[in-house]
Amino acid sequence: SAVISQKPSRDICQRGTSLTIQCQVDSQVTMMFWYRQQPGQSLTLIATANQGSEATYESGFVIDKFPISRPNLTFSTLTVSNMSPEDSSIYLCSVQGQGREYFGPGTRLTVL
Amino acid sequence: LAKTTQPISMDSYEGQEVNITCSHNNIATNDYITWYQQFPSQGPRFIIQGYKTKVTNEVASLFIPADRKSSTLSLPRVSLSDTAVYYCLVGGHAGNNRKLIWGLGTSLAVNP
Repeated sequence: SAVISQKPSRDICQRGTSLTIQCQVDSQVTMMFWYRQQPGQSLTLIATANQGSEATYESGFVIDKFPISRPNLTFSTLTVSNMSPEDSSIYLCSVQGQGREYFGPGTRLTVL
Repeated sequence: LAKTTQPISMDSYEGQEVNITCSHNNIATNDYITWYQQFPSQGPRFIIQGYKTKVTNEVASLFIPADRKSSTLSLPRVSLSDTAVYYCLVGGHAGNNRKLIWGLGTSLAVNP
């Protein structure tokens, strides 16, 4: 199994600012995944972060809005840039192992 | 990637057995069926996984008919703490780092 931590756990931000979310895993993993979960909705994959290369973004998500870093095999960051109220969501990172997915506790973001 | 269909919500009472059925008509030969549980403000958590017939662990049972076009998650003697959203996913077991499609899940409310 994998233990994942995220920082911050929650934040309230002003429109137009940026927030960087950190994700730390207790073991080395090849890929990390970033999801968004809007209120009352399911999980939507934002991008897949592979160590040593650029992240792969899903349709509807772009690097300028959600830049991702993956400096090593246990850590990744997701930045939500130029935020608007529509970005208010829970942001989750995850890793996969043994045929299943392990999630962090999430970062609850509220944009005013 | 196979699409899944689940009831949006279910209600139950403490001590009852709850069965949540998921349809996955387009499941591929190498797809496994995995169920996750998500509490409010937390990331999803793995419950059980199976390929065919029946799988049981300490928290649930998973029933998969021979055609594998559906599966049923069975929660024995639910308690208030089982109130959560339950997601059914299908995907390849071998080879991690695969993209998963998350549906809306089933919101289970356990009443006293």
